[in-house]
Amino acid sequence: DIQMTQSPSSLSASVGDRVTITCRASQNINSHVNWYQQRPGKAPKVLIYDASSLESGVPSRFSGSGSGTDFTLTVSSLQPEDFATYYCQQTYTVPYSFGQGTKLEI
Amino acid sequence: EVQLLESGGGLVQPGGSLRLSCAASDFSFSSFAMGWVRQAPGKGLEWVSSISGTGSRTDHADSVKGRFTISRDNVKKTLYLQMNSLRDDDTAVYYCAKDKGYGHAWYFDYWGQGTLVTVSS
Repeated sequence: DIQMTQSPSSLSASVGDRVTITCRASQNINSHVNWYQQRPGKAPKVLIYDASSLESGVPSRFSGSGSGTDFTLTVSSLQPEDFATYYCQQTYTVPYSFGQGTKLEI
Repeated sequence: EVQLLESGGGLVQPGGSLRLSCAASDFSFSSFAMGWVRQAPGKGLEWVSSISGTGSRTDHADSVKGRFTISRDNVKKTLYLQMNSLRDDDTAVYYCAKDKGYGHAWYFDYWGQGTLVTVSS
């Protein structure tokens, strides 16, 4: 099975900051990585698919990069509504594993 | 607007069974793969099962293989998760999700609000 390891597990930041979250796969998964945001008590929402493609309707301050085993999600200028938990997921092969999550806090 | 409405969650004893349903609307249901993702209290997301648009391909996580079965009724536009031999560690919010892909998983672009399954004696 492919393990997805996110870092950091939690991150403190301020409005306006630029932040980067990293996800490392235990083997080559090409660009089959998706990033989701989950606010407390809500369902997840996709931000980025195929490592770097921005989902329709998602603000352009979110961006993704990487291929192979190392991937990043960057928020260029944090807004108050961005404080949430973020998950990467690989859909290269079954089981379609998620990372353990990164909680972004003020 | 795509809508996914889960139902069927509740309290069940260890060893018991439940069937979750997810009613879909406002999209061509049979044209997309679907899946279930769960989240134990205070924990992260765990992929559970996925099914292709026709229902011919199904995949399950090892943690539920042999106990859970995903299925779909494309006429009723409904996704199901039959859960048998439930264990304490199956306690979670179960989300139904629409996949952007058809034959195999791509990414989940719409999610339901979730239904809570509690396994406890």
